Amino acid sequence: SQTIHQWPATLVQPVGSPLSLECTVEGTSNPNLYWYRQAAGRGLQLLFYSVGIGQISSEVPQNLSASRPQDRQFILSSKKLLLSDSGFYLCAWSVRPGGVYEQYFGPGTRLTVT
Amino acid sequence: GENVEQHPSTLSVQEGDSAVIKCTYSDSASNYFPWYKQELGKRPQLIIDIRSNVGEKKDQRIAVTLNKTAKHFSLHITETQPEDSAVYFCAASMVGKLIFGQGTELSVKP
Repeated sequence: SQTIHQWPATLVQPVGSPLSLECTVEGTSNPNLYWYRQAAGRGLQLLFYSVGIGQISSEVPQNLSASRPQDRQFILSSKKLLLSDSGFYLCAWSVRPGGVYEQYFGPGTRLTVT
Repeated sequence: GENVEQHPSTLSVQEGDSAVIKCTYSDSASNYFPWYKQELGKRPQLIIDIRSNVGEKKDQRIAVTLNKTAKHFSLHITETQPEDSAVYFCAASMVGKLIFGQGTELSVKP
């Protein structure tokens, strides 16, 4: 069965510090991968998605970037965090064939920028 | 691009009553419509979905209906229980990604 991991689970970082969040998927090959942010407990904002290694689509211009160095690894980064970057970051995966996109979410990383 | 509107934003019902959450979408090419339940502090969980070639789907106490002509779909929960309390999100597919509604906070009062 498929499993998705995210770490760390919680993170407190000062403004201006760098960020690296990691997501890995087990039990599937060639998945679509997604990064979402959820602020104030509501609204899933799609940040980035990837259909393959090195292929990243950015949905919202902002202080973040994403990379996919391996088929089942997705990384969210920032060079300098802003207060507004605080939130619950969720990674998700889906299988691609057939045009049906069931997405399954990881456990999330709760980021607080102080 | 696709836009998904979800109503109501909050919904309070008595235990045992039914709850209905409605969503509309804008892109007629959308063909997949999932619903997620998110409990406080946890990840969203897929609870039911429907594809564009189906008008209705049921799974025990939950059901989803789809009207492609009107571009709206709804989640129906019958015989609500306190454990149904959560935030519910609808979504519509758009070429490799999902567009989510803003969520409905459902509160089931015992």
